[in-house]
Amino acid sequence: QSALTQPPSASGSPGQSVTISCTGTSSDVGGYNYVSWYQQHPGKAPKLMIYDVSERPSGVPDRFSGSKSGNTASLTVSGLQAEDEADYYCSSYAGSNDLVFGTGTKVTVL
Amino acid sequence: EVQLVESGGGLVQPGGSLRLSCAASGFTFPAHWMSWVRQAPGKGLEWVANIKEDGSVTSYVDSVKGRFAISRDNAENSLYLQMNSLRVDDTAVYYCAKGYAVAARDYWGQGTLVTVSS
Repeated sequence: QSALTQPPSASGSPGQSVTISCTGTSSDVGGYNYVSWYQQHPGKAPKLMIYDVSERPSGVPDRFSGSKSGNTASLTVSGLQAEDEADYYCSSYAGSNDLVFGTGTKVTVL
Repeated sequence: EVQLVESGGGLVQPGGSLRLSCAASGFTFPAHWMSWVRQAPGKGLEWVANIKEDGSVTSYVDSVKGRFAISRDNAENSLYLQMNSLRVDDTAVYYCAKGYAVAARDYWGQGTLVTVSS
């Protein structure tokens, strides 16, 4: 049950793209197509942005996209906007009804 | 409108107990897995516990096994977390979250703060 590894920070200018990685193992990210991504603004509850690696819940802009290769999942935010500045967390199913979250990445819009 | 409202947080001494509650509304509560997720001050999210729709299956992060118990009352649309033998490192905001698809959580409460300190 070790946390998934994310870079502490990422940044981009408005209109640019930023990609955040999420590295786990074959027991979590690599073993299942059940990776989710959450956005959290300061003092707020997390918001689901991506589930099942690349699916977007209703209402989430298509600027947010997800993918996975082996033990690493990625979240790409295209056309960065000021309101995208937040903390982002990945999460994966880890077998035996367990979940595991990533260490979190702070995205800054320059 | 889906609503999840946590309560029961507060200040407790190390070794003490606390019971958190989460009142759910706006969706068919008995049809969804539910979870507790916590966030220590200034830190990241940590999954704590899951419970199946009918309460027959539960799972926990290793650090709380044997100390915490997740339960639910589907007749009352409520989720609970009984926390015993609390430690200083259990200090966190505790969120309840609604299950979505296999392993996602699509709605979260506002959280309740648990502070373990002498």
